Amino acid sequence: DAKTTQPPSMDCAEGRAANLPCNHSTISGNEYVYWYRQIHSQGPQYIIHGLKNNETNEMASLIITEDRKSSTLILPHATLRDTAVYYCIVPSNFGNEKLTFGTGTRLTIIP
Amino acid sequence: KAGVTQTPRYLIKTRGQQVTLSCSPISGHRSVSWYQQTPGQGLQFLFEYFSETQRNKGNFPGRFSGRQFSNSRSEMNVSTLELGDSALYLCASSLLGRGETQYFGPGTRLLVL
Repeated sequence: DAKTTQPPSMDCAEGRAANLPCNHSTISGNEYVYWYRQIHSQGPQYIIHGLKNNETNEMASLIITEDRKSSTLILPHATLRDTAVYYCIVPSNFGNEKLTFGTGTRLTIIP
Repeated sequence: KAGVTQTPRYLIKTRGQQVTLSCSPISGHRSVSWYQQTPGQGLQFLFEYFSETQRNKGNFPGRFSGRQFSNSRSEMNVSTLELGDSALYLCASSLLGRGETQYFGPGTRLLVL
């Protein structure tokens, strides 16, 4: 898996947009960027993934830079329930189903 | 569609015992992967099953084993439990295990005393 780098922690005020960055400078041309989050002691929850273009779903938006070396996950209106550890992952595309989770970003939403 | 389910949710065992954990994937998903999560090591890949065959394996001792049934349900077994096996065990399923999105279950929290 391509190595990813995320800040260890971030705070965001409730109701504001939370912008979580991720660097993946060694990403290959056909590897996707995936985001998961894990709320305390629960299983990781899939959020969104993308290849080149920006993506949006009901949970979040994903902005990938043109050179694909970094991306930003955007939670448009953060709520207290968004407090979690967020993981940016670039899985190997060689058919290996192993996901490599780094330490992620601990996002705390402040009331 | 129902999500990935895991049973039991919590388990307490003593050293030397063995344990079997169960995972039912999302309906139609044929690939099941298992992960161990501990505070010190984070989330680590154990193995992946597809069509009742182990297709990938992580770096864990042989005490950790698994299997998959014809209905894609999977079990993992840990024999001769050690204190260090205390962890959250997670399973994830995907359609064919070829780069599709993996969806995780709630996990089984195992405590070894």
